[in-house]
Amino acid sequence: QKEVEQDPGPLSVPEGAIVSLNCTYSNSAFQYFMWYRQYSRKGPELLMYTYSSGNKEDGRFTAQVDKSSKYISLFIRDSQPSDSATYLCAMIFNQAGTALIFGKGTTLSVSS
Amino acid sequence: NAGVMQNPRHLVRRRGQEARLRCSPMKGHSHVYWYRQLPEEGLKFMVYLQKENIIDESGMPKERFSAEFPKEGPSILRIQQVVRGDSAAYFCASSSGQGNGYTFGSGTRLTVV
Repeated sequence: QKEVEQDPGPLSVPEGAIVSLNCTYSNSAFQYFMWYRQYSRKGPELLMYTYSSGNKEDGRFTAQVDKSSKYISLFIRDSQPSDSATYLCAMIFNQAGTALIFGKGTTLSVSS
Repeated sequence: NAGVMQNPRHLVRRRGQEARLRCSPMKGHSHVYWYRQLPEEGLKFMVYLQKENIIDESGMPKERFSAEFPKEGPSILRIQQVVRGDSAAYFCASSSGQGNGYTFGSGTRLTVV
């Protein structure tokens, strides 16, 4: 079993839809969870950074962590064509410089 | 306030040549990470460095690959005697180690011909 599982998609939605992206993980030692957005041929860009179980909201984006189920989600409200990208979940054991472990990424396409 | 700077953006090497990839972390960041991304795959950790120290190289291939982060200057990822399978996008990330997440550069796309 891989450490971090993420459905690669592709996921296609119409503009304005609510998008749900998910990852599961196997190691309960992961403490910090991130979502990155990567446009084609660009570097990943940090979208959300969370620690505890629960929800964190930033504009149209909501990150949700359920440590008991080892499951994290990213919701995008009122999706826009500019949201079309690959979304990568990532997690680390602690803040002190350990390496991020990434999911494979989900490719999202939002059509106008 | 420049972000993480990587160069070159694109690098073409013939089989057997050496590739040197450079990364300058964000100002104030002393932790540097190198990742490799192959088509249809996620980002794979290679090595984690702080100034003059390799902290974790568990993701580095045992041969031909090396990395350094000298006291002065950028971090360097070196690949000796490149093979076609080394063709990938190589990303560098930096952090302050204070829990603010990792900032990535735009990557170097290595093509081995």
